[in-house]
Formats: sequence, C-alpha cells, structure tokens
Amino acid sequence: QKEVEQDPGPLSVPEGAIVSLNCTYSNSAFQYFMWYRQYSRKGPELLMYTYSSGNKEDGRFTAQVDKSSKYISLFIRDSQPSDSATYLCATFLNRDDKIIFGKGTRLHILP
Amino acid sequence: GAVVSQHPSWVICKSGTSVKIECRSLDFQATTMFWYRQFPKQSLMLMATSNEGSKATYEQGVEKDKFLINHASLTLSTLTVTSAHPEDSSFYICSAGGDREEHGYTFGSGTRLTVV
Repeated sequence: QKEVEQDPGPLSVPEGAIVSLNCTYSNSAFQYFMWYRQYSRKGPELLMYTYSSGNKEDGRFTAQVDKSSKYISLFIRDSQPSDSATYLCATFLNRDDKIIFGKGTRLHILP
Repeated sequence: GAVVSQHPSWVICKSGTSVKIECRSLDFQATTMFWYRQFPKQSLMLMATSNEGSKATYEQGVEKDKFLINHASLTLSTLTVTSAHPEDSSFYICSAGGDREEHGYTFGSGTRLTVV
C-alpha cells in the first residue's frame, strides 16, 4: 500500500462548481498535510498547510483533515478556468523529513 | 515568507557539458533542501536531500557522481548535472522548508534542462 493515495483523474467540472479533491494516507503518525497546485512547466505552489485534524480556509480554498479515517480533502469554491492544474496532496513526518506526495489529480475547469 | 528562488528557469546545453542549477531561500534559512526531477505528466521524483555543511543523501538509483549537490550555506544549494546526456533532459525542482513550524515546504519555479 502506497503511503499516500490520490486519484490521478482527470477531473472535469463546469466553471462555478465546487471541486472536491481527496487523498488517503496509511501512516497514522503523519501530522502535517499540504496541498500544492502545479501548472504545466512550473514548480508546485503551496496552497494550504495544515497540522493535525480540522479545517483551514483561505479564500476559495478549504483544506480538511480527518485523522480518524486518514483522509484529507481540498475544496475549491466558485471554481475558475484558471484553477485548471494538477493538485498534489503531500505530508511529512517530522521537520526536514522528505515530503511524501500523492500522484496528483489533473483538474480541468470548463468555461 | 518562505520564498524559494531557482535559477536558471531553462537551459540548453551540449551533450558532455555540465550544468549548474541554483536554489536559494530568500527570506529564511534552510538547513535542508530537496531536489526533485519531474518528467512530463508524471509526479515529482525525489533525487536527493541536501544538508547544509554535510554530504547530500541520495535516493536509490540516483547517480551521486552525475548529480553533484552542494549546500554551502543556509540559503544556497546547487545541483550540478555533470557530463550531461540527452536522457538527463528533464524538469528539475528544488524545495525547502521554512524556518518556522507554521511554514510548509515551498518549491522553486523549476529548471527545464534540455541536452542536445
């Protein structure tokens, strides 16, 4: 079993819809979780960074961590064509440990 | 905070030459930086962990002598691709953690290397 599982998609949704992106992880010791957005030929951009369980909101983005089910989610409200990108979930065990990534989900927002 | 700058953004070199890629943490000190390689439509592949003042830790299958990593200061790590060949053409990205617990890991903008 991979440490972080993520559906690669592609996921296509109409503009304005709410997007739900999800990952599961296997190691209950993980406490730090991140979501990145990567456009083609660019480095990943950190969108959300959360510690332990709970929700975190930033503008149109909400990150959710459910440690009991080892499930992490990213919600995008009022999706825009500019949100079309690959979204990667990630985690790490301790500071300066290597990051463990999901495979990334390709998202297409249809105008 | 936690900005990572990577240069150059793209480079073309002749087969057999060496190429150096720089990764700088602009507003924080990074004792650890990470170097990744990414092929089109694939996920990031960790190549090595760069530690300030000590030798880098390479992932299995990555040639240490081909991909030289130097982390000479708390704000600069370099990756040198030695004797580059066309199969080394790829997208190389560096990453660092911020100096504060509330910072996640941020990435450089990446370097597209083409070896001809």
